[in-house]
Amino acid sequence: DSGVTQTPKHLITATGQRVTLRCSPRSGDLSVYWYQQSLDQGLQFLIHYYNGEERAKGNILERFSAQQFPDLHSELNLSSLELGDSALYFCASRTAGANVLTFGAGSRLTVL
Amino acid sequence: EDQVTQSPEALRLQEGESSSLNCSYTVSGLRGLFWYRQDPGKGPEFLFTLYSAGEEKEKERLKATLTKKESFLHITAPKPEDSATYLCAVTAETSYDKVIFGPGTSLSVIP
Repeated sequence: DSGVTQTPKHLITATGQRVTLRCSPRSGDLSVYWYQQSLDQGLQFLIHYYNGEERAKGNILERFSAQQFPDLHSELNLSSLELGDSALYFCASRTAGANVLTFGAGSRLTVL
Repeated sequence: EDQVTQSPEALRLQEGESSSLNCSYTVSGLRGLFWYRQDPGKGPEFLFTLYSAGEEKEKERLKATLTKKESFLHITAPKPEDSATYLCAVTAETSYDKVIFGPGTSLSVIP
């Protein structure tokens, strides 16, 4: 157990729907990173939050949005889902000063 | 734009056959280079951080090295349990809040 908790583990939904993925960082970590990993692509950086503030954006689609709440958990919202959104979505937290990402077990999204 | 490439894409080794994986990077001022191991269906696990050219880090059968343009992950006398995808990642001085990953090298070690 890495200490980073992601829910749900698996999610199957239909095109056009909206889902929310949740992440709780390791105790004491203020940073949350979201990544998408599909079969034909590596880990694609989506977005980074630090203590509730958006710090960096990667190639995140406009249909996707995220936020980090005062208790430091984060949610990634995916809307108007397409078949190509099927992927593993990973959350990671970074410990201040350690410069190391600790990943959760991922949420596997299947869009049918 | 910051970029990371890795080669080879896949590598099959016999148990005990040593080899190296390559990570090439293009960043505007390297702040840190990282190696992670990922098993199928799981999140990546941290292996090493390297900060400056000439630096080396070792852990069991793995040794990571860094030059100004690339990093190598040397695997000495690998065992089947070393089979995994090895990911390289970088952060840049100008974009510390981004951690950019390469596509990975899938390593299979055959008994």
